[in-house]
Amino acid sequence: DSGVTQTPKHLITATGQRVTLRCSPRSGDLSVYWYQQSLDQGLQFLIQYYNGEERAKGNILERFSAQQFPDLHSELNLSSLELGDSALYFCASSVGVAGNTIYFGEGSWLTVV
Amino acid sequence: SQQGEEDPQALSIQEGENATMNCSYKTSINNLQWYRQNSGRGLVHLILIRSNEREKHSGRLRVTLDTSKKSSSLLITASRAADTASYFCATGGGSYIPTFGRGTSLIVHP
Repeated sequence: DSGVTQTPKHLITATGQRVTLRCSPRSGDLSVYWYQQSLDQGLQFLIQYYNGEERAKGNILERFSAQQFPDLHSELNLSSLELGDSALYFCASSVGVAGNTIYFGEGSWLTVV
Repeated sequence: SQQGEEDPQALSIQEGENATMNCSYKTSINNLQWYRQNSGRGLVHLILIRSNEREKHSGRLRVTLDTSKKSSSLLITASRAADTASYFCATGGGSYIPTFGRGTSLIVHP
């Protein structure tokens, strides 16, 4: 158990809908990262937050957004969902802003039908 | 961001054999990390090696780092069926974001 908690574990939704994925980082970790893993794209970095502020952006679509709250939990919002958004979404956390080991949650499986 | 690329893409061995997988990267690093992912699960951190280290051990794992060649290798000795998983490297340092390649898929046959 990495200490990173993600909910929900699985969800199925229709195209055009919006979903929110939630992440609680390890106790004491200030950085949260979001990754998307799909068969064709591999493990893609989406976005990082550090202590409530956006720190770095990767291959995140404009339809997707995230935030980190004062209690350090984070949410990833996916809107106008398309079939191609079906993937495993991971949250990870680390103590510092960069250069540290990052610890992954078990992921949220999203299926868009 | 910096990205490691793992090689080979797939590796199939018998239980008891050693498994070696490699990682190459392009820019300077402060550290390099190896992770394991069981099918459909989260990535699990295995080992971190710093740029001033050449070799590191953890149980049956041995990691080497050659910064002049910008490469690292992960050796799993005496493999077990439970080692079946995908293995990823991620480079780190400075203001980097850990980015991952497609991994090496290891299958250990009992």
